[in-house]
Order: sequence, then C-alpha cells, then structure tokens
Amino acid sequence: GAGVSQSPSNKVTEKGKDVELRCDPISGHTALYWYRQSLGQGLEFLIYFQGNSAPDKSGLPSDRFSAERTGGSVSTLTIQRTQQEDSAVYLCASSPVVFGGPGVYGYTFGSGTRLTVV
Amino acid sequence: QQQVKQSPQSLIVQKGGISIINCAYENTAFDYFPWYQQFPGKGPALLIAIRPDVSEKKEGRFTISFNKSAKQFSLHIMDSQPGDSATYFCAAISQGGSEKLVFGKGTKLTVNP
Repeated sequence: GAGVSQSPSNKVTEKGKDVELRCDPISGHTALYWYRQSLGQGLEFLIYFQGNSAPDKSGLPSDRFSAERTGGSVSTLTIQRTQQEDSAVYLCASSPVVFGGPGVYGYTFGSGTRLTVV
Repeated sequence: QQQVKQSPQSLIVQKGGISIINCAYENTAFDYFPWYQQFPGKGPALLIAIRPDVSEKKEGRFTISFNKSAKQFSLHIMDSQPGDSATYFCAAISQGGSEKLVFGKGTKLTVNP
C-alpha cells in the first residue's frame, strides 16, 4: 500500500479482555516497529522485526504483550488481560533501511490504534 | 534512564516568530538524528534529519543545529506559521547498533495567528 495501515483506529475494551492490533507495513519494507505513545510520555519502543531475524522484544513492558509478523509483512500486537495502564496509542512503523547509508533514514508511521481500557 | 532529553515540553510562538526546540543526548554512539512532526490523530512524520559530521542542515524554514561536543541538537523553525502547530519529536539512533530510534518526549508547538 501507499502507507502503513493500522487497524482498528480505535478500540475500547474491558479490563481483563485480550486485544489484537494489526499493522500492514509498506510493501518491501523489511523492518517493522511497534511503539506506544502515552500522553506526555513520548514514544516508547516495544518491539522490532527485521527480516527473518529474531525480533528485538526488549521494550515489551510485560509478558502480557506479544507480537508476531507473518510472512515478513503484516504484524499483530496482542495484549492479554488488558489493564487500564495499557490505554495509549499504539503506533506501527516500517522502514526499508536498517543500517546507515548516505541517504535519509526514517520510519514511516501509521496513524496508530487508540486503545482505551475501561 | 532517558537517552534523549527534549525541551521545552510546550512552546507558544506568534506567527512569524522563531520556534526553537532543544534536545540533548548521552550515547556518543548515536550517529543519526531525525526530527518528526506529528499532527493530532496522525502518526509522526519525518521532517528533517542530520548526521554528526555536519553542524547545520537547512530545509526551507526548518534548520537543525548540531553541537557534537556538547551532545546537543536543536530544531529552528523560522517564520513560524499556524500550520506548524504540532508536536515535534527529536530522535537518535546508532545505525550500527541497536537499530531502533530513541525518541525525546516531544514538544507541543502552538503558533498563534
């Protein structure tokens, strides 16, 4: 697609329920990232996928959070037993470049999924 | 430990004025410093970026100034316009290292008409 697509755009869920957030990256982008944006807290790294390498899960806040990327394309972020502190905007980004070069390096972000846990 | 510190948290500027946002970093391995612009309801979008081998980069009304010895860099928006009202994030990455951007906490810029 022309950009990074995330769905749903908004999700309201009850505390304790599981949720799945989907990210469809730009075709051909080998790197995919999930970030969480809480009010006033900037962008918090969650997980990073690069090609067939093992994902970097160092930012996942607890074992309730997991993510997978199928076929090197679509990714799903799953939050089990949601808590109110999980309420945030979850942003997905993709990039065609991992290591530096002379060109401009940057992620392309989706518009995010706003998760509200009530 | 916050690796990239951004200030101010919010900024109000009159139309035509200069907006200045500052960032400081600690990791000397960082070798690429992009700035992102985010409008409400949208994801951040790459605005401008700099590498530490140059002290300044200008694109239109947007300029990054970089001070390697002080480990600081800043975004200057000249002739600020109401359409520039957004949240700005500085970021940094070690492209041969962790392969992921580290972001500042953001600055909410309001440009009054």
